[in-house]
Amino acid sequence: GENVEQHPSTLSVQEGDSAVIKCTYSDSASNYFPWYKQELGKRPQLIIDIRSNVGEKKDQRIAVTLNKTAKHFSLHITETQPEDSAVYFCAARSAVGGTSYGKLTFGQGTILTVHP
Amino acid sequence: ETGVTQSPTHLIKTRGQQVTLRCSSQSGHNTVSWYQQALGQGPQFIFQYYREEENGRGNFPPRFSGLQFPNYSSELNVNALELDDSALYLCASSLGNRDTEAFFGQGTRLTVV
Repeated sequence: GENVEQHPSTLSVQEGDSAVIKCTYSDSASNYFPWYKQELGKRPQLIIDIRSNVGEKKDQRIAVTLNKTAKHFSLHITETQPEDSAVYFCAARSAVGGTSYGKLTFGQGTILTVHP
Repeated sequence: ETGVTQSPTHLIKTRGQQVTLRCSSQSGHNTVSWYQQALGQGPQFIFQYYREEENGRGNFPPRFSGLQFPNYSSELNVNALELDDSALYLCASSLGNRDTEAFFGQGTRLTVV
């Protein structure tokens, strides 16, 4: 089955710096790669996603890149702010049952701390 | 907010007991997936229900079971609770046959003592 590795496990930056989180996946059939932000005690919230037919996607201060050949994807946050502090999870979606749009396999998470 | 609601929000059970968790999917969504998130870890896929049938399962024992109802809401049942079952249980709803995102509920925090 799919396996997703995420690094680093913790990341500490100064306000205004950039933050980069990297993930690798194992199943070449995975077709969708979302990133979630989870604050303490709350639900994972989708912040950006990318599909396998696209190499890069940007939304204001957040961008995601995908390298299908190497099976890795990365989250880039520019001009970080203290409110960006949270746990970030990458995920890869692979087929399950009779549907191609099935389960998400998550990375282990990155605790991002942005110091004012 | 996502429109996906879970109940209860918190629950304390004793080892060996049984528990039922509930999830109401977002309007129009026909697929519900359940995930277990242990403290400090990423969510782990338990199983998925598509149009009232289980159509995918992760590495969880048979004492984890579920149901999906005609209105696409869902239940997760766990029998013979163990201490390691203590976790945040998340459900996510989506359109199972469409390339769309999944929306998570706020989760149920289960503590087994």
